[in-house]
Amino acid sequence: GDSVTQTEGPVTVSESESLIINCTYSATSIAYPNLFWYVRYPGEGLQLLLKVITAGQKGSSRGFEATYNKETTSFHLQKASVQESDSAVYYCALGDITGNTGKLIFGLGTTLQVQP
Amino acid sequence: AQTIHQWPVAEIKAVGSPLSLGCTIKGKSSPNLYWYWQATGGTLQQLFYSITVGQVESVVQLNLSASRPKDDQFILSTEKLLLSHSGFYLCAWTRDSSDYTFGSGTRLLVI
Repeated sequence: GDSVTQTEGPVTVSESESLIINCTYSATSIAYPNLFWYVRYPGEGLQLLLKVITAGQKGSSRGFEATYNKETTSFHLQKASVQESDSAVYYCALGDITGNTGKLIFGLGTTLQVQP
Repeated sequence: AQTIHQWPVAEIKAVGSPLSLGCTIKGKSSPNLYWYWQATGGTLQQLFYSITVGQVESVVQLNLSASRPKDDQFILSTEKLLLSHSGFYLCAWTRDSSDYTFGSGTRLLVI
């Protein structure tokens, strides 16, 4: 079936350190999967961080980047130097661009704690 | 600008009591609307979607129902809550299937 597996949290890093949150997916019923990273900051709703709809492309936002790798079925989230304000829960998600079901398949979420 | 508003922000309800959660989208006509739910320790999963007024499709059976009485309104409800309904409920809309916007969510605790 369709599924997303991401790094189990919590992940704790110090400010200015680099970060990688792994995400792999299985898209057996989706012909053209879109890949997303969403973020939920404390006390806020779910926000789109970045998305990539074409395999081989890289998305970036707020210093984060992720590359859609169809060969390894991965979409790892990376940042070279994290800040305390990056502390949040990060969700990798897989979506189907066809039809109107709008279904997103989410990973369990990874809680990131950045220490000052 | 499009806005999405969910209500209430949080609820504590007794088992067996009714529930109604709401979602309103402003600034976008004929949006596709969705309800997602996350149980504690679980992942977000789609419950319902609607592409037009009066039509709602169920994705997961959880003894919940949804309705779309107006173009900009999506309601999630049940007449009898179960303990297993506790969790976090999110409403979302899409302009196209690659651009989702989520509300800020409703946290529900059933006791």
